[in-house]
Amino acid sequence: DAGVIQSPRHEVTEMGQEVTLRCKPISGHNSLFWYRQTMMRGLELLIYFNNNVPIDDSGMPEDRFSAKMPNASFSTLKIQPSEPRDSAVYFCASSWGIQQYFGPGTRLTVL
Amino acid sequence: GESVGLHLPTLSVQEGDNSIINCAYSNSASDYFIWYKQESGKGPQFIIDIRSNMDKRQGQRVTVLLNKTVKHLSLQIAATQPGDSAVYFCAEKRGSQGNLIFGKGTKLSVKP
Repeated sequence: DAGVIQSPRHEVTEMGQEVTLRCKPISGHNSLFWYRQTMMRGLELLIYFNNNVPIDDSGMPEDRFSAKMPNASFSTLKIQPSEPRDSAVYFCASSWGIQQYFGPGTRLTVL
Repeated sequence: GESVGLHLPTLSVQEGDNSIINCAYSNSASDYFIWYKQESGKGPQFIIDIRSNMDKRQGQRVTVLLNKTVKHLSLQIAATQPGDSAVYFCAEKRGSQGNLIFGKGTKLSVKP
């Protein structure tokens, strides 16, 4: 198995632009998680899905952030409009049971 | 950019020594715990887990100890190697919640 796949691996954009991060979970996993990691705040859970349904989005910073999971093999995290404080590494993780498997992350830089 | 960062506890050990990384948790309802390892530029990777009905679990070169009385979790790494240098996170699961709660992490630095 290729593991959790995220794209792009690196994204540099200008403030105000829309950013879309993509994730392909491990086949057969039924839960998907989006995290943000920064030096200031560590690893934060943004949202998670179970069977493609959003279960807890209390970690989503504000309305500029949205996440979708249209099917079991794909999820997106969108930031519109992006701001410099959104600069971070964004991880996607998937699970079948309790153990979560993380992707390599997308390093986002907003100038 | 950010001028003030999260101050991670750092543990520096000599290659070949044993390492002990500690984690405190606050919720007595937590029933499952995991240790993750995150190397620079990579996502966290599973190391070992333990359920709350156990107090010790061993893997290859790693042992996790759970003390529910004082809500303390530790990860012991035997014969630490340079490849063990990373940030280590403990994570807990609380009851029926599907998500994990991650700690702030400890940075392990192995001196050759």
